[in-house]
Amino acid sequence: TQLLEQSPQFLSIQEGENLTVYCNSSSVFSSLQWYRQEPGEGPVLLVTVVTGGEVKKLKRLTFQFGDARKDSSLHITAAQPGDTGLYLCAGKAAGNKLTFGGGTRVLVKP
Amino acid sequence: NAGVTQTPKFRVLKTGQSMTLLCAQDMNHEYMYWYRQDPGMGLRLIHYSVGEGTTAKGEVPDGYNVSRLKKQNFLLGLESAAPSQTSVYFCASSTGLQSLNIQYFGAGTRLSVL
Repeated sequence: TQLLEQSPQFLSIQEGENLTVYCNSSSVFSSLQWYRQEPGEGPVLLVTVVTGGEVKKLKRLTFQFGDARKDSSLHITAAQPGDTGLYLCAGKAAGNKLTFGGGTRVLVKP
Repeated sequence: NAGVTQTPKFRVLKTGQSMTLLCAQDMNHEYMYWYRQDPGMGLRLIHYSVGEGTTAKGEVPDGYNVSRLKKQNFLLGLESAAPSQTSVYFCASSTGLQSLNIQYFGAGTRLSVL
């Protein structure tokens, strides 16, 4: 079983601060996705990274895929209260199945 | 655009009772999935389907059964509910294209087994 570990599990910051969430594995994934989930809702895809070393930006969010395609990070610059939510990374394994990390709960206080 | 619809949204069962969770998607997706989400454990795959009439076991299939009689529907059954099955259940669907596999999720069903 391929495992993905996310850290930290919980992050509480003030509006305007920066934060980084990490997603690590000992396994190689063909691609890695980041989802955000808000209370009472299902996860919604933010980005997919495919190539080792790839960096993608989505407004104030920067996603990086490790060179060896075993790890990834999500960096949020100048966090806003609207960034509050549960962030999940998911690696694409055999077939079309995804392996999800345990999630990082982010709270951005105004 | 309905996307993925799950019913019911909430349910309370007594140990030993049975129930069926319904997932419906209107995106003509080939692949459908059932996950459970527990605190600190992310999403774990219960069962999935790669097309109408097919089902396969995921990571945590014990105590659950599924059926995909129609392409747009994926049913998750609990024959004899146990307290360990208290969780939030999510259904998802995807096109099945190997390249990216973007999964679209429903809003979830919160199940408590007493």
